[in-house]
Amino acid sequence: QSALTQPASVSGSPGQSITISCTGTSSDVGGYNYVSWYQQHPGTAPKLLIYDVSKRPSGVSNRFSGSKSGNTASLTISGLQADDDTDYYCSSYSGTSTYVFGTGTKVTVL
Amino acid sequence: QVQLQESGPGLVKPSQTLSLTCTVSGGSISSGSYYWNWIRQPAGKGLEWIGRIYPSGTTNYNPSLKSRVTILVDTSKNQFSLELSSVTAADTAVYYCAREDFTDSGFDPWGQGALVTVSS
Repeated sequence: QSALTQPASVSGSPGQSITISCTGTSSDVGGYNYVSWYQQHPGTAPKLLIYDVSKRPSGVSNRFSGSKSGNTASLTISGLQADDDTDYYCSSYSGTSTYVFGTGTKVTVL
Repeated sequence: QVQLQESGPGLVKPSQTLSLTCTVSGGSISSGSYYWNWIRQPAGKGLEWIGRIYPSGTTNYNPSLKSRVTILVDTSKNQFSLELSSVTAADTAVYYCAREDFTDSGFDPWGQGALVTVSS
């Protein structure tokens, strides 16, 4: 059960859109529509942004959207804002009632 | 709304057992609609799923930790707990408890986290 692969860093200017990838295998990301995304500010617990690949919990901005193609899931942040400058993690169900997280991506707002 | 709070010793000696409790408030742990999870994060590193428990007591564990992990539930106290045996410095991390909906794939909400340091 290896961690899902995310880019270490992604950057963009305010107002722009960026996309974070999350690559797994057919045994996790590609095999189930159970991918979720989290935002984590320093010193705080992760916050759920997206679940079931593309669903948004109530209260989460529609600037955050999720998708999946094959073994790769993606999180897109549109209208980039200063507060989006932080860490993001993906997670996927990986069969046999277990979960795996991604390696994490640091988003920098230029 | 539901809130989770981790508690337990912040310092554990190598080879001993790490024990943490997660107290659930604002809702019943026995509702039957949720799994209750433990997740950890070493300083400056990523998240690692440890395992989960259903109110019935059914558990699932990360294969890499399975031989050392036990998750228990105490419905009378609205709590669930984590025991990690034979700890080493590599187990030093912030430990989070989190709820998982039975039909959805997200962890929400999370506790604030508890830092556990393994050191003699």
